[in-house]
Amino acid sequence: LAKTTQPISMDSYEGQEVNITCSHNNIATNDYITWYQQFPSQGPRFIIQGYKTKVTNEVASLFIPADRKSSTLSLPRVSLSDTAVYYCLVGDPGTGGFKTIFGAGTRLFVKA
Amino acid sequence: KAGVTQTPRYLIKTRGQQVTLSCSPISGHRSVSWYQQTPGQGLQFLFEYFSETQRNKGNFPGRFSGRQFSNSRSEMNVSTLELGDSALYLCASEPALALNTGELFFGEGSRLTVL
Repeated sequence: LAKTTQPISMDSYEGQEVNITCSHNNIATNDYITWYQQFPSQGPRFIIQGYKTKVTNEVASLFIPADRKSSTLSLPRVSLSDTAVYYCLVGDPGTGGFKTIFGAGTRLFVKA
Repeated sequence: KAGVTQTPRYLIKTRGQQVTLSCSPISGHRSVSWYQQTPGQGLQFLFEYFSETQRNKGNFPGRFSGRQFSNSRSEMNVSTLELGDSALYLCASEPALALNTGELFFGEGSRLTVL
């Protein structure tokens, strides 16, 4: 299973773009990169998933370079409600293993 | 479609007691995973059940056990509770393996306090 490394915490201000980078040097060919968001006392919520290049949805964008050894979650124009913990998971969705390693995540604190 | 339901939401136990937590997955989902989250920590994987069989297991002592029923509902049990077992216990469901997209659907958790 690919191990991931993320910053422990980040601070931002409302209206700014926030980029959270996740390193996964030993990512395997069949692995996808999936990001989750967790608010206090709630279960995590799926944000976005990608395999290569760029993926965008209504919430975020995910940038994955050609070597796939890292990925960047981009949150455009954050608001106070984006204060949460963000987890990067790497694994093959076709097997059960990808969900076993969540790590500590990145605590994003958005200030007014 | 109803989401993942966990019961009870909150409970208080004393050391040495045991506890059983329940998780009802989204209708049609056959995989249920359990996680422990202590304050300020990430999610620690406990185990996963698929079609009533344990498919994966995390690094927790034998006091932590689980099972899954034919309707995909799952329970986890913690025996001989310790203070360190105080945590938010989360369960997540996902569709059958062939439909896996990597998207886990989490419940709101059961918050256990051990005194």
